Amino acid sequence: EVQLVESGGGLVQPGGSLRLSCVASGFTFSSYYMSWVRQAPGKGLEWVANIKGDGSEKNYVDSVKGRFTISRDNAKNSLYLQMNSLRADDTAVYYCARDWGDLSETSCDHWGQGTLVTVSS
Amino acid sequence: DTQMTQSPSTLSASVGDSVTITCRASQSIDSWLAWHQQRAGKAPKLLIYKASNLESGVPSRFSGSGSGTEFTLTISSLQPDDFATYYCQHYKTSFRTFGQGTKVEIK
Repeated sequence: EVQLVESGGGLVQPGGSLRLSCVASGFTFSSYYMSWVRQAPGKGLEWVANIKGDGSEKNYVDSVKGRFTISRDNAKNSLYLQMNSLRADDTAVYYCARDWGDLSETSCDHWGQGTLVTVSS
Repeated sequence: DTQMTQSPSTLSASVGDSVTITCRASQSIDSWLAWHQQRAGKAPKLLIYKASNLESGVPSRFSGSGSGTEFTLTISSLQPDDFATYYCQHYKTSFRTFGQGTKVEIK
C-alpha cells in the first residue's frame, strides 16, 4: 500500500524558515517524480514544486522560485521542501504527492494527509 | 504556463442527478489531464487520469472525456459521498497546474 506521511509544519514568523519532510512507502520511490502541492485556507489546490526520481530535474511555481528548494533522499525514501523567506501568503496545508512514474500515465495519484504551515507574527 | 479554467465554480444538485464539470486549458495539453476529488477536510483523491481513464477503485458513475483544450467530468447518479470539490490538473509538462475547483453541493 502506498503511504505518504508529511511532517515539519508549524507556526513561523514572516521571513523565517521551515523544512517539510515526506516519508514514502509501498512503492519504488526513486522511480517517481514527487510533488509538493499546497492549499491556503478556504482556497484551491496550488502546485508548488516537483523533482525527478533521480533528483536531476526540479521545477517550481514562480511565486516560490528562489525561496523554496525541493530535494529528496532516495536511500531514506524521503522528500523535502526547504522554505525560506516565508510570507503570510505561504500559509497553507502542504501535501506531498506521488507524481509521474517510469511506467505510469498518471500524476498525483497518491497524496499524504498534509501538514499545516502558518506564517504569522 | 498553461492555465486551467473550470466551470461552474459551484454546482447545486440532488442525489440521483447527473452533473457535468468543464475544464478548459489555455493551450493544448493533448490528453494529459487528471481529475481529483477533495472532500471537506481531507486530502485530494485521484479519480480520472489521461482525460478518460478511471483510477482503480473509483466507481463507474465517474467518467471523463475530452482532449486538446476542453475536458469534462461527468458524475451520473450523484451519491451522498460525491458532494465535494473537484479539481482538474494538467501534466502535459513538468510544470503542473490545477483548475480553481468546482464545489458540488446539495440542492
